[in-house]
Amino acid sequence: GQNIDQPTEMTATEGAIVQINCTYQTSGFNGLFWYQQHAGEAPTFLSYNVLDGLEEKGRFSSFLSRSKGYSYLLLKELQMKDSASYLCAVRGSIKAAGNKLTFGGGTRVLVKP
Amino acid sequence: GAVVSQHPSRVICKSGTSVKIECRSLDFQATTMFWYRQFPKQSLMLMATSNEGSKATYEQGVEKDKFLINHASLTLSTLTVTSAHPEDSSFYICSARDEEGGLQSYTQYFGPGTRLTVL
Repeated sequence: GQNIDQPTEMTATEGAIVQINCTYQTSGFNGLFWYQQHAGEAPTFLSYNVLDGLEEKGRFSSFLSRSKGYSYLLLKELQMKDSASYLCAVRGSIKAAGNKLTFGGGTRVLVKP
Repeated sequence: GAVVSQHPSRVICKSGTSVKIECRSLDFQATTMFWYRQFPKQSLMLMATSNEGSKATYEQGVEKDKFLINHASLTLSTLTVTSAHPEDSSFYICSARDEEGGLQSYTQYFGPGTRLTVL
């Protein structure tokens, strides 16, 4: 089966850095995604990791350790518009999980002035 | 990134009526699309996988006769909620798989969602 854990809520100050952790136990592994979702809107793609290491994309970076079943999303220079839910999603293997995405419960990040 | 559209964005209907939601991939072909449901402050729950030219694959607990899925072309999938009831009120989101990078490394893009309210 698939199990993905991430914190429910985090609060940070504008201009600061926040790290959102995600741990997973899945049937096979074929990549990990991070999505941003503002209230009432659909998720938007942020990052994709399939190999160990850090992927940097502007103010957002994502890290993966496959041996530890662990990823984090790092948000730097926080802006008020970054207040949103951040969803960690793991793609299972084709054989074990039909190559489908399984989502964590999401982490609501509140950025305060 | 790729664009997925969804229509309508909001719909309010009476109990017992049927509602059709369309999902289109605008700049890529998608043999596979997904339909999710999301309740307030909860994560996305996969309802079914829509396969172009074949029957949809439903997740456990999802009634296939209630949530009819038709994937008639490489750019269009529809979800029809039949005989809707208030408990079907939710945020329905479609997603399309861009497989240009290969089946092992596809990226999944989401439509803007449809807010369904059943009175």
